[in-house]
Amino acid sequence: IAGITQAPTSQILAAGRRMTLRCTQDMRHNAMYWYRQDLGLGLRLIHYSNTAGTTGKGEVPDGYSVSRANTDDFPLTLASAVPSQTSVYFCASSPGGTGELFFGEGSRLTVL
Amino acid sequence: GIQVEQSPPDLILQEGANSTLRCNFSDSVNNLQWFHQNPWGQLINLFYIPSGTKQNGRLSATTVATERYSLLYISSSQTTDSGVYFCAVERYTGNQFYFGTGTSLTVIP
Repeated sequence: IAGITQAPTSQILAAGRRMTLRCTQDMRHNAMYWYRQDLGLGLRLIHYSNTAGTTGKGEVPDGYSVSRANTDDFPLTLASAVPSQTSVYFCASSPGGTGELFFGEGSRLTVL
Repeated sequence: GIQVEQSPPDLILQEGANSTLRCNFSDSVNNLQWFHQNPWGQLINLFYIPSGTKQNGRLSATTVATERYSLLYISSSQTTDSGVYFCAVERYTGNQFYFGTGTSLTVIP
């Protein structure tokens, strides 16, 4: 079934550790996004990529980095995790243009 | 960025009742979607509706782009409708989607 795959599903991490959340889509969508979801704050955009080779900063980019080496993959890296990065992270993609947004299942990250 | 406000923030319904959820946005948009986040956390696309009216079973949505709002109607609610409903808008093509903080719906049997 076509869609977006995120890994890991859940992770507990010590503060200061490096962590990469993986996201792969097989829909050949041009645009990909990383959101974090926190109680009472809805979904906030961390980084996005409109096409392979390009990335941009969203509302809350600090402490995160992304890369887009190809169309399918869009990993999110926390270089040195802090407790405030405890959240549920969602990867999403869209065809681009005025296309519909589709979400992965989410990755629950706890930083202690 | 664009401001997205959803109302009401919380809603409790008896099974079988109807409801209307509202999404207001602060600027013109090219794209608007409604999502349902179920109790397991999955975000499910309900409608892609930058303008006009669409219906899908018991759910329908209307966006009046010139007046900067969208409505989601749920008729004959069921317990499986419980969850959080989000509205998301995109102002410019290929830009970013902005989300409201959602309406939390609980349908009781």
